[in-house]
Amino acid sequence: DQQVKQNSPSLSVQEGRISILNCDYTNSMFDYFLWYKKYPAEGPTFLISISSIKDKNEDGRFTVFLNKSAKHLSLHIVPSQPGDSAVYFCAAPLYGQNFVFGPGTRLSVLP
Amino acid sequence: DSGVTQTPKHLITATGQRVTLRCSPRSGDLSVYWYQQSLDQGLQFLIQYYNGEERAKGNILERFSAQQFPDLHSELNLSSLELGDSALYFCASSVGGLAGGIETQYFGPGTRLLVL
Repeated sequence: DQQVKQNSPSLSVQEGRISILNCDYTNSMFDYFLWYKKYPAEGPTFLISISSIKDKNEDGRFTVFLNKSAKHLSLHIVPSQPGDSAVYFCAAPLYGQNFVFGPGTRLSVLP
Repeated sequence: DSGVTQTPKHLITATGQRVTLRCSPRSGDLSVYWYQQSLDQGLQFLIQYYNGEERAKGNILERFSAQQFPDLHSELNLSSLELGDSALYFCASSVGGLAGGIETQYFGPGTRLLVL
């Protein structure tokens, strides 16, 4: 049973445009969400997070939006750059520090 | 570079064998986590250690075990290997000890295990 879903395995965007990566969750107990980015041959690196008491968190070109009623969050990257090409994972702590990860979305930013 | 190191980078072995994966956390981090990533799957949490003691268990098979040593490095032991155990195994570390808080986990580059 996938508690964190990323239904788009891949996404291609033109450089300079907006990238929107989506994530849905089923467990209403989740109250904190994280996005990780992964380049080939490297481990995931933390990108941005959001607590359920907020509906938006921004960090430079990256903004995460949370819609609790829809159990949906999205990561916006504006403007997209070729260096953003990576696999993006959505994650939530199930209990304590034990994260549940989605399957990831591969973003390709085309020059 | 996250500061988390994992060895070996690649491992090829046969079914029925046993292997040990090693992880050194970031300097000062007390918590170590192990994750498995199979093909096209998200990372599956296996187990967490905090300062030498097991803190939480996820979907870890009985054939798998782990430990954290006094110098805080950790080893994941996989035995009676099956073809389906082929995966990327990641170790992560965090400061540890934040009561009720969510800590950023820093991941190592992973060990790619191939069971033939």
